[in-house]
Amino acid sequence: EAQVTQNPRYLITVTGKKLTVTCSQNMNHEYMSWYRQDPGLGLRQIYYSMNVEVTDKGDVPEGYKVSRKEKRNFPLILESPSPNQTSLYFCASSSVGAYRTDTQYFGPGTRLTVL
Amino acid sequence: AQSVTQLDSHVSVSEGTPVLLRCNYSSSYSPSLFWYVQHPNKGLQLLLKYTSAATLVKGINGFEAEFKKSETSFHLTKPSAHMSDAAEYFCVVSGLKAAGNKLTFGGGTRVLVKP
Repeated sequence: EAQVTQNPRYLITVTGKKLTVTCSQNMNHEYMSWYRQDPGLGLRQIYYSMNVEVTDKGDVPEGYKVSRKEKRNFPLILESPSPNQTSLYFCASSSVGAYRTDTQYFGPGTRLTVL
Repeated sequence: AQSVTQLDSHVSVSEGTPVLLRCNYSSSYSPSLFWYVQHPNKGLQLLLKYTSAATLVKGINGFEAEFKKSETSFHLTKPSAHMSDAAEYFCVVSGLKAAGNKLTFGGGTRVLVKP
């Protein structure tokens, strides 16, 4: 089954404790992206990756890191989480056309609480 | 630059009556437009997409949307609401590859379906 998976689905942590949220897709998509969802703000892009070893900042990259060492995986790293990073996080992937990506497929989400 | 405005944050309908969710967009180029649905505690599911083919787009579960360039609108409709349609709906515009393929989300419309 074609899918995007994220782990963990739920995480409660404390300020300053480094964490990683994993994202994996089995559709051989070039493009992957991370979003955060906050009430009333819709989804905002954190980072994206056009392909292996190619990453760039989205709209709200502060406090996050990413890496793309393999095509299927795109982990999101919070080196020193803070309470304002409490949010619902989504990973997405898609193939890439000549001018834009195709439909982005989303993972199930990771609900993160930072105390 | 691109932006999306969903004109109603909440819509309440009775089961069996029509649903209309309004979306206006702004884009510097010919856009790709999407509607996604998010059921409570679930991920995002694609309802339909417009990619410069037919202006009337049919999606899953009886939903359809009409692209009107002159009005910069992409309203979502369904002739007869079902209880299972209760969810949050997001209108989304897709950016170009040169701009990171970013998805810009509207703020969302929460749909309540009354029996």
